[in-house]
Parts: sequence; structure tokens; C-alpha cells
Amino acid sequence: GQNIDQPTEMTATEGAIVQINCTYQTSGFNGLFWYQQHAGEAPTFLSYNVLDGLEEKGRFSSFLSRSKGYSYLLLKELQMKDSASYLCAVLDSNYQLIWGAGTKLIIKP
Amino acid sequence: ETGVTQTPRHLVMGMTNKKSLKCEQHLGHNAMYWYKQSAKKPLELMFVYNFKEQTENNSVPSRFSPECPNSSHLFLHLHTLQPEDSALYLCASSQEGDTYSNQPQHFGDGTRLSIL
Repeated sequence: GQNIDQPTEMTATEGAIVQINCTYQTSGFNGLFWYQQHAGEAPTFLSYNVLDGLEEKGRFSSFLSRSKGYSYLLLKELQMKDSASYLCAVLDSNYQLIWGAGTKLIIKP
Repeated sequence: ETGVTQTPRHLVMGMTNKKSLKCEQHLGHNAMYWYKQSAKKPLELMFVYNFKEQTENNSVPSRFSPECPNSSHLFLHLHTLQPEDSALYLCASSQEGDTYSNQPQHFGDGTRLSIL
């Protein structure tokens, strides 16, 4: 079967750095997405990785290792508005999106 | 503002009622999706419309009936739902290629559905 694993919940402090991990076992791989979802709002696109390595976008970076079936989302200089759920999703060999259950990130002052 | 608008935002209905969820996208995309989101579970894909034709129906019960009159509008008609159908229903759109697509999906804020 296909599976995406990410921690259910994480807590971090304002101004700090947090890394949210995602591991996957899928039938094929055509890229990995990260989305942010604030409570009661739409998931919004953060990043897409298809090649190994680190992609940086401002305070957010996303890393991929295809050989390990592993990705992480790195958030720097955390702000209170970063409190949200972060969803990992993988495009399988049929270009179907396989979703993780999401990681709820709580930022404390 | 994501470019995808869903109405209503909240809906409470009895098990014998009939209601419809509406989704409209202003992004010029050619594919639209319905998802079910339950607490602490992955998003469940329900239906996909690509170029207005339904291409996915992931074993969704017949009490959910989709309709896509054009590439900008998507409906989900609800009839005799069960308490376990209470969830957040999300609509999304994307631009699909002829053979495949790795374009991100753009989501609406969802309809919070409660079945009494």
C-alpha cells in the first residue's frame, strides 16, 4: 500500500527553527508537495520538490531525498502566524496525489 | 483569496435533507476536485473532473453526487447523508496537461458539514 508518515503535532518557540519530517512509501514518485493550512482555511501551496536537495523560499525551505523516501520542511525565524497544519503529499507513478494526515505546528511566545 | 470560492462555509443538515455544495474557480484551470477532510486523517479524494469530464470516482457512496456544468463550476449534491459524513469538504482546481501534470492544486476554504 501507499503511505505518508508525518508527526501529528509539534511545538516550537517564536523566533526559533523547526523541522517537519515526512517519509513516504509510494508506487513511483513524481514529486512531493508541502501545503500550509490554517484552521478553518484552505490549504495553500508552499513548495514542490522532484529532485534531491534543498529548495529555499524565504523563511521556508524544503528538502528531498528520493533514495530515502524522505522530505522535510524547515521553518526559520518562527512567527506566531506560522501556527498551522503542514500537509505533505506525494505524486505517485500515476500522477495521483497521496496525502499525509498533516502536522499541527503550535508556536509559543 | 485563493481564487477558489466555496459556498456555504457551514452547513447543518438532517439525514433526510437534500442540499448542494458549490465551488467556483477564477483561475482558468481545467481540472476540479472534491476532497473530504476529517480530523487527523489524510485528505480523501472523492471526485475529479478534467476538461469537464469525470475522471475519478474513488468508491464514493451514491448519496454524494457531483456535477460539473463547465470548467469553472463544480457542485456536490448531498442526499440522505449519515453522521459519519460530517467533515470539511474541500474543493480544489489545477491546470492539467494532456498527459500528466505536476501543477499544485489551489483549494477553497471548504464547507464544514454537520449531519444531525
